[in-house]
Amino acid sequence: KAGVTQTPRYLIKTRGQQVTLSCSPISGHRSVSWYQQTPGQGLQFLFEYFSETQRNKGNFPGRFSGRQFSNSRSEMNVSTLELGDSALYLCASSFTGPGQNTEAFFGQGTRLTVV
Amino acid sequence: GDSVTQMEGPVTLSEEAFLTINCTYTATGYPSLFWYVQYPGEGLQLLLKATKADDKGSNKGFEATYRKETTSFHLEKGSVQVSDSAVYFCALRDSSYKLIFGSGTRLLVRP
Repeated sequence: KAGVTQTPRYLIKTRGQQVTLSCSPISGHRSVSWYQQTPGQGLQFLFEYFSETQRNKGNFPGRFSGRQFSNSRSEMNVSTLELGDSALYLCASSFTGPGQNTEAFFGQGTRLTVV
Repeated sequence: GDSVTQMEGPVTLSEEAFLTINCTYTATGYPSLFWYVQYPGEGLQLLLKATKADDKGSNKGFEATYRKETTSFHLEKGSVQVSDSAVYFCALRDSSYKLIFGSGTRLLVRP
């Protein structure tokens, strides 16, 4: 069974640009969450999508957005990049539905560097 | 709000030593608890989980018990190996399905 796939693995962008990251969850999983990992702030929750609907959102500015497609694949977009957006972005998928609370499986992440 | 507190690292041990990494949590309700491990340049791998009080999660020689009375979920291993060197994260999953992580504990095992 294939795991969570994130593309690309590495990105270098210039301040002010925008970027789109992609995540393909484990087959059958309908929940996709995104996390930002930085040395200073640790792992922080960005948002979660379930069946194409944003179900939960963290405390990030509106420059961070996401979406989920009917096949459960998800994308996150960051507009007007800032140096502080440099981080490892991790995607997690889980088989979580109403009344369920199962474990999350993570991809290898996308390392974004803003210069 | 909910939170997870882990012991500060790095933790440096000799091979075959006993490992404990402390984790305590603050939460409303009854969260599920997890330990994840991160190797250099990689994402997070689920190590073990516990979903209710007194549950013991175990995997690859690692164990942790969900202690509601002390709000703790300490990670233990009887004999560490060099290959266990990594960063370990304690996490809880709240009722909104969000994972809340501790700050991580770096473990370095010397031969």
